[in-house]
Amino acid sequence: DVKVTQSSRYLVKRTGEKVFLECVQDMDHENMFWYRQDPGLGLRLIYFSYDVKMKEKGDIPEGYSVSREKKERFSLILESASTNQTSMYLCASSPQGTSYEQYFGPGTRLTVT
Amino acid sequence: AQSVTQPDIHITVSEGASLELRCNYSYGATPYLFWYVQSPGQGLQLLLKYFSGDTLVQGIKGFEAEFKRSQSSFNLRKPSVHWSDAAEYFCATLPNDYKLSFGAGTTVTVRA
Repeated sequence: DVKVTQSSRYLVKRTGEKVFLECVQDMDHENMFWYRQDPGLGLRLIYFSYDVKMKEKGDIPEGYSVSREKKERFSLILESASTNQTSMYLCASSPQGTSYEQYFGPGTRLTVT
Repeated sequence: AQSVTQPDIHITVSEGASLELRCNYSYGATPYLFWYVQSPGQGLQLLLKYFSGDTLVQGIKGFEAEFKRSQSSFNLRKPSVHWSDAAEYFCATLPNDYKLSFGAGTTVTVRA
């Protein structure tokens, strides 16, 4: 069974903290994605990576950075968390050449107070 | 840029009744279109996809969708809804090779 796991289901952080969200996939997929999901807005792409150490900005990269040192792991970093980054964060992966068929993790609900 | 719109934020349907969720797409060229489902507490799962050819596509969990160019629509249907179909449903398109563009989602509530 394919698996995308995220390090936390729920996370509460304070404004200004540095936050790390971890995502691991066991399917040997080349592509990995980070989205945020907000009511009424659907999913918006933050960053994606198509190979180790490669990354591309998505629609809303401001305030975020990413790291992909190993093929199976893709980290999202909030350098200085702000209250407007309170959201559900979803990680996904897909094989090379089929970026539409994405496998999603269960999400991390981040609250920044 | 290619995009999709889901006009309905929330739909309530009785168990055993039929379900239809609307999705409209923009842009002229034949789009690539998808439906994803997100069950409570879960990540998204691909239900079905349309690239070209037969305009009626079958997916998993008994769902189907019909591509209608004249109406710029790709509506999702299920003849008889089960309580486990309560979820949020997202229509999506692929404006370029790597990036899915999602609609805002439709939440489906199933009443007994």
